[in-house]
Amino acid sequence: ETGVTQSPTHLIKTRGQQVTLRCSSQSGHNTVSWYQQALGQGPQFIFQYYREEENGRGNFPPRFSGLQFPNYSSELNVNALELDDSALYLCASNLLTLDTQYFGPGTRLTVL
Amino acid sequence: GENVEQHPSTLSVQEGDSAVIKCTYSDSASNYFPWYKQELGKRPQLIIDIRSNVGEKKDQRIAVTLNKTAKHFSLHITETQPEDSAVYFCAASSGTRFGAGTRLTVKP
Repeated sequence: ETGVTQSPTHLIKTRGQQVTLRCSSQSGHNTVSWYQQALGQGPQFIFQYYREEENGRGNFPPRFSGLQFPNYSSELNVNALELDDSALYLCASNLLTLDTQYFGPGTRLTVL
Repeated sequence: GENVEQHPSTLSVQEGDSAVIKCTYSDSASNYFPWYKQELGKRPQLIIDIRSNVGEKKDQRIAVTLNKTAKHFSLHITETQPEDSAVYFCAASSGTRFGAGTRLTVKP
């Protein structure tokens, strides 16, 4: 195991609702990245946080937002859920930007 | 932004044969290139990575080569085994931009 945990494991929401997904990084890892992985596709980079500041963002709308906390935990918030948001959401932590990323097990979100 | 293309999308080999997966990237500033293996229902796991100051790296049956001039890098798996069957992803641009994946099947 990687020492990175995510909660919840599964989640079902309806279109238009809001959701918060949580990630607990390895202790000491001050960089966390969030990814969306649709079925049969590669992980798509949502954004990265370094020491509680956003450090890069992929091609996702502003309704995808995040927070990183001093205790190595982080959140991904998605507002106004759409059906296409249904996917596996992965977080990954690393010590330095060019260091090995350790992935959590993911949260599978289903939007009905 | 960075565009990472990965080929082939599926690859089937006989046990003991070699498998090669290729990726190209667009951002010449990319400097970190990891490869991940993802089994069904599990998280991606790093199998090997290479940084831009190195042209080749090997770890037992797995090797990665990098051609910065041509902006492509490849994963080589020798003496494949059935347990190598999985989806493999390359990544570039500090490791955050992923290819679409290659489903490798190793037939016993």
